[in-house]
Order: sequence, then C-alpha cells, then structure tokens
Amino acid sequence: KQEVTQIPAALSVPEGENLVLNCSFTDSAIYNLQWFRQDPGKGLTSLLLIQSSQREQTSGRLNASLDKSSGRSTLYIAASQPGDSATYLCAVWSGSSNTGKLIFGQGTTLQVKP
Amino acid sequence: DAGVTQSPTHLIKTRGQHVTLRCSPISGHKSVSWYQQVLGQGPQFIFQYYEKEERGRGNFPDRFSARQFPNYSSELNVNALLLGDSALYLCASSYRDRPTDTQYFGPGTRLTVL
Repeated sequence: KQEVTQIPAALSVPEGENLVLNCSFTDSAIYNLQWFRQDPGKGLTSLLLIQSSQREQTSGRLNASLDKSSGRSTLYIAASQPGDSATYLCAVWSGSSNTGKLIFGQGTTLQVKP
Repeated sequence: DAGVTQSPTHLIKTRGQHVTLRCSPISGHKSVSWYQQVLGQGPQFIFQYYEKEERGRGNFPDRFSARQFPNYSSELNVNALLLGDSALYLCASSYRDRPTDTQYFGPGTRLTVL
C-alpha cells in the first residue's frame, strides 16, 4: 500500500531564505509526482508535475526533484516571500496507465515572516 | 479560461440528510475525480470518472455515489450523512485519465454536518 509522508509538518522562516520541503513515498512504482499549494480553506493549485522518467522540474523560484529509487522528492523554494505562506502538498499517482488516483501526504504548512 | 468550478461553496446539513455536490471541469477535460479532505489531512480519493464511466473508487462506504454527465460535469451524492462526513470536498479534472495529465482542482465545497 502506497503511503506518502511529508516532513516537516510545519515550517517558519524569515523572508528571503531558501528552503526545502521533503516528501517520501513507500512504493517506487509511481507514474508521476505532483506538488500542490493550498491556501487556508481553499482548493489546490498545481505547482509542478514530475513524470516518473524525469528527475526534476522548475517553475520560477520553484524546483522539484524526484528520486524514485529512494522514494523521495524535494521542493526547493528560492528567496522565499510572505506570499509563499501556504500548505504544500505532494501527491503520487498510484494505479495503472489509464486508471488511478493521487495519494497525498499530509502537507507542510509554511509561514514566511516579513 | 474558466477553471474547475464547484457548487455550492458551503453547505450545512444535519445527520441523516442527503447532499449533492456539483463539479464542472475545465472545458475540454473528460476526466473528473472527487476527493475528501478532512481538516489537517491530505485529500483522500473517492471516485474517478472518465467518459461517463467509473474508473476508480476509493475506500468509502456505499453511501457515497457519483456520476458524470454527457457534458463531463459530475455530481457527488452522499446519503445518510454522518458527523464524520464534514470535510472539504474537492473536484479535480484532467484532459484524459492518464497519469501524464496534470490534475486541476476546484475551490472545493465545505460540508458541515451537525
């Protein structure tokens, strides 16, 4: 059974700091891994999607890496800003090539202080 | 372009009642999935529909049912509501049912069961 874990559960950093969020999964047979952002009481915004054949994806100040063999992914946020404060969720696609589901971690709640 | 839309935004019901939640996917998307997010947890998969057929079902009781219409919109129905059904219900759409396709989430419906 696939399980996804995110550490730490919460993180508080001063503005401008570079930071890393961690995600681990127990079954390396994944199709992809996706990072999401969730603001309080809101839906999920997709940040980055890494296919199983890829090692990393970049979007602006965000960089996500994937190491399937070790069951780990990291989300790197450069030069953090107060507007980055949110909960960050990682999810892996579990199933087959035409039916499946996202299995989510519990999220890391990030606070960036001005 | 409009994103995934869900209605209603908020809903308050009492135990034993029935509820219907609605989702309209992004134009051109044919796959819709439903997730339940309890406060403080990551979303849990409920259903996936593609081309009006159920493609997957999570570990939820038969009180939960869903369907997808010819225009690809979807409804989630929950019967005999329990206090534990209180959660944010999220709908996600994608172009196909493939893991290579990014899942786009709606803002969610906040259900409170009293």
